[in-house]
Amino acid sequence: ETGVTQSPTHLIKTRGQQVTLRCSSQSGHNTVSWYQQALGQGPQFIFQYYREEENGRGNFPPRFSGLQFPNYSSELNVNALELDDSALYLCASSLSAQSRSYGYTFGSGTRLTVV
Amino acid sequence: QKEVEQNSGPLSVPEGAIASLNCTYSDRGSQSFFWYRQYSGKSPELIMFIYSNGDKEDGRFTAQLNKASQYVSLLIRDSQPSDSATYLCAVYLTGGSYIPTFGRGTSLIVHP
Repeated sequence: ETGVTQSPTHLIKTRGQQVTLRCSSQSGHNTVSWYQQALGQGPQFIFQYYREEENGRGNFPPRFSGLQFPNYSSELNVNALELDDSALYLCASSLSAQSRSYGYTFGSGTRLTVV
Repeated sequence: QKEVEQNSGPLSVPEGAIASLNCTYSDRGSQSFFWYRQYSGKSPELIMFIYSNGDKEDGRFTAQLNKASQYVSLLIRDSQPSDSATYLCAVYLTGGSYIPTFGRGTSLIVHP
């Protein structure tokens, strides 16, 4: 059984550029959530995908968008990067989006630096 | 008032002591509660889940839930230096959401 994998691990981008982060969910998990974690802060919810549909969205602008594929892997796209987008981006998978009894399995994260 | 609150710390305890980490939440109807451990530079790792009032024990870890007072605690007995990490509380708030809200985490330092 494989865990959650994210790529790349580190990324440096210039303000105004676009970035795509990737995530492969844990085997058997159909739900993927993306979080942004700034230094010293808790994870902030960006959005969740369940069976290829967006299942919830946090307080992030539309330039943050995502996809989930039939194999439940997912992408996070960020357009028009801003300096404040510099953070650790975490992907988390879970068994179901319809239950409050399942915890998340997190990937190792992508550290994005915008300069 | 933030929905899920944790003291950022750091909480410093000597090796072998009991570390007590607290989390309060604003929504009285909140249900499931999770504790995650996050080592510096790493991603969060699930360590405890509790949904009923009272205590739940797993090895050296005990989660305590008090819904009337709206807090959940994590006790770590016989603390070890390897327990030094940030501990995140996550709560499923009411309103039909199946998405947990995370606190900012409490940094724990266990010194030899």
